[in-house]
Amino acid sequence: AQKITQTQPGMFVQEKEAVTLDCTYDTSDQSYGLFWYKQPSSGEMIFLIYQGSYDEQNATEGRYSLNFQKARKSANLVISASQLGDSAMYFCAMTQGGSEKLVFGKGTKLTVNP
Amino acid sequence: GAVVSQHPSRVICKSGTSVKIECRSLDFQATTMFWYRQFPKQSLMLMATSNEGSKATYEQGVEKDKFLINHASLTLSTLTVTSAHPEDSSFYICSASVVGNQPQHFGDGTRLSIL
Repeated sequence: AQKITQTQPGMFVQEKEAVTLDCTYDTSDQSYGLFWYKQPSSGEMIFLIYQGSYDEQNATEGRYSLNFQKARKSANLVISASQLGDSAMYFCAMTQGGSEKLVFGKGTKLTVNP
Repeated sequence: GAVVSQHPSRVICKSGTSVKIECRSLDFQATTMFWYRQFPKQSLMLMATSNEGSKATYEQGVEKDKFLINHASLTLSTLTVTSAHPEDSSFYICSASVVGNQPQHFGDGTRLSIL
């Protein structure tokens, strides 16, 4: 069974600095997808970035980049130039094989300090 | 694009009431939608997969008679919490994807409080 581990319950970062949120995964499948979502206190889930298991290059979306290390089974999210509005819960998730089902990690609460 | 609308955003009702939550894909057709439940300060747990024109597939431990799912069209799935009790109070959120391995897009969620 697939599993997502986020070991950082909470992280703090100063505004304008970069921060890395950790995510490791466990799967025996060769084909899988890795996702990061942001959940502000209002509750909605905002898609940030996607990495496919066969993608050779790390995914980037604006200030977000995914540090994909396949051999280590890690998919860390890097947020550059943090903004106050980045304060939220961040969830790492994955799909496996042909299934669209998302399995989520427990999340990391990011706080950006002014 | 890929907007998912969920309604209502907040429900407060008495124990024993049945509550219907709607999830609509506004600008795309979704043959599959997903329903999640989230307790405070916890992660999202998949409850069921809603398939257009067929029965929903429930995750282990989810009572299908308690959480009725209907996916009557390519743009609408509904979750009905039947005879709701205080322990059903939670945040319910739906999602849908355009095709295959594309990222799922989520509705804004429904906060359900049963008194």
